[in-house]
Amino acid sequence: GAGVSQSPSNKVTEKGKDVELRCDPISGHTALYWYRQSLGQGLEFLIYFQGNSAPDKSGLPSDRFSAERTGGSVSTLTIQRTQQEDSAVYLCASSLVEGEYTQYFGPGTRLTVL
Amino acid sequence: RKEVEQDPGPFNVPEGATVAFNCTYSNSASQSFFWYRQDCRKEPKLLMSVYSSGNEDGRFTAQLNRASQYISLLIRDSKLSDSATYLCVVNLNTGGFKTIFGAGTRLFVKA
Repeated sequence: GAGVSQSPSNKVTEKGKDVELRCDPISGHTALYWYRQSLGQGLEFLIYFQGNSAPDKSGLPSDRFSAERTGGSVSTLTIQRTQQEDSAVYLCASSLVEGEYTQYFGPGTRLTVL
Repeated sequence: RKEVEQDPGPFNVPEGATVAFNCTYSNSASQSFFWYRQDCRKEPKLLMSVYSSGNEDGRFTAQLNRASQYISLLIRDSKLSDSATYLCVVNLNTGGFKTIFGAGTRLFVKA
């Protein structure tokens, strides 16, 4: 079956602009996660959604970051007024439910803020 | 102190060698544990879950020591294709669910 997909695969933007990153999880997976990975660094947990529950936003690095998940499926991560330090690969993952289940990752969106 | 710490390496080993990676975690509320593998410029993929009793999958053996808050991964008979970054992963729930990835240990297996 189809895996996790993300779009766009690459995004170059100018400082101060807003960007939207999209994630389509595996069908039937109720848990969805967003991470970011800076060059040569580990993954930084940003936010996760479990079903229709309100997401835990405590991992978001600033109030410029927001995420939503419509209909328990597709998710959008929005970064407002992008800064150069936002440049990273943004990875989305989904799992059957949260916790012990394998997280399957999408290929990521490489964001470059000039 | 980082919540999940790994030796960054790199580990450079010849084919056929046995190599071991260690990982420590700081939060005793950690509930589940995994090793993921990440190839260069690719997304992470699950290698194996880690259970308290220890578990083996072919050439790979994972161990968990909850008392010492320590996880290990042993790779026997290394192959060139094992070259990658190995990520130690911890799920914890302290009123809210969170997944913590270690920064990873780089492995290079050479012929």
